[in-house]
Amino acid sequence: DVKVTQSSRYLVKRTGEKVFLECVQDMDHENMFWYRQDPGLGLRLIYFSYDVKMKEKGDIPEGYSVSREKKERFSLILESASTNQTSMYLCASSLRGLYGYTFGSGTRLTVV
Amino acid sequence: KQEVTQIPAALSVPEGENLVLNCSFTDSAIYNLQWFRQDPGKGLTSLLLIQSSQREQTSGRLNASLDKSSGRSTLYIAASQPGDSATYLCAVNTGNQFYFGTGTSLTVIP
Repeated sequence: DVKVTQSSRYLVKRTGEKVFLECVQDMDHENMFWYRQDPGLGLRLIYFSYDVKMKEKGDIPEGYSVSREKKERFSLILESASTNQTSMYLCASSLRGLYGYTFGSGTRLTVV
Repeated sequence: KQEVTQIPAALSVPEGENLVLNCSFTDSAIYNLQWFRQDPGKGLTSLLLIQSSQREQTSGRLNASLDKSSGRSTLYIAASQPGDSATYLCAVNTGNQFYFGTGTSLTVIP
């Protein structure tokens, strides 16, 4: 089975810190995605990537950036963390556009 | 933009009951539809993936159907168990990305 690993289950960061969320998949998937999930708002797409060094903005990219230097790793960066970025962050990957998603276990980020 | 709706938002049933969760979407031009389960504080676990050319998929006590022309999918859970308590989300794939519903929170009462 494909495994998508998010490096941290829980993180607590201070306002203004630069935060890195890491995601690694082990099945050579082309596509990788970052979502955030908030009560009442569901999953919202932040950024996605179809290939190494490629990135596309999702619905809510403001305040975030991403990096994909290797095919298996997709990093989400909060340049200057703010309290409204407190959320559950979910990484997903898929083989190609016509295949299903596999999700990581999520990172619960709290910004204080 | 694709919009995905799941009704009801919450459902409570006694153990052993059969139940149906609903998902509707506004644009029928989809490649596939995926049902997920999410336990509190956890990531999403894939349950079933239905390609646009398929009418249904089955896995154990779960059966998912797809009517692309009417923009609807259902997830049927047979003989529900307390361990089925979770939030169930559907997602439709437009080719570029998946669009998610906000989920149905299911509680199965022993």
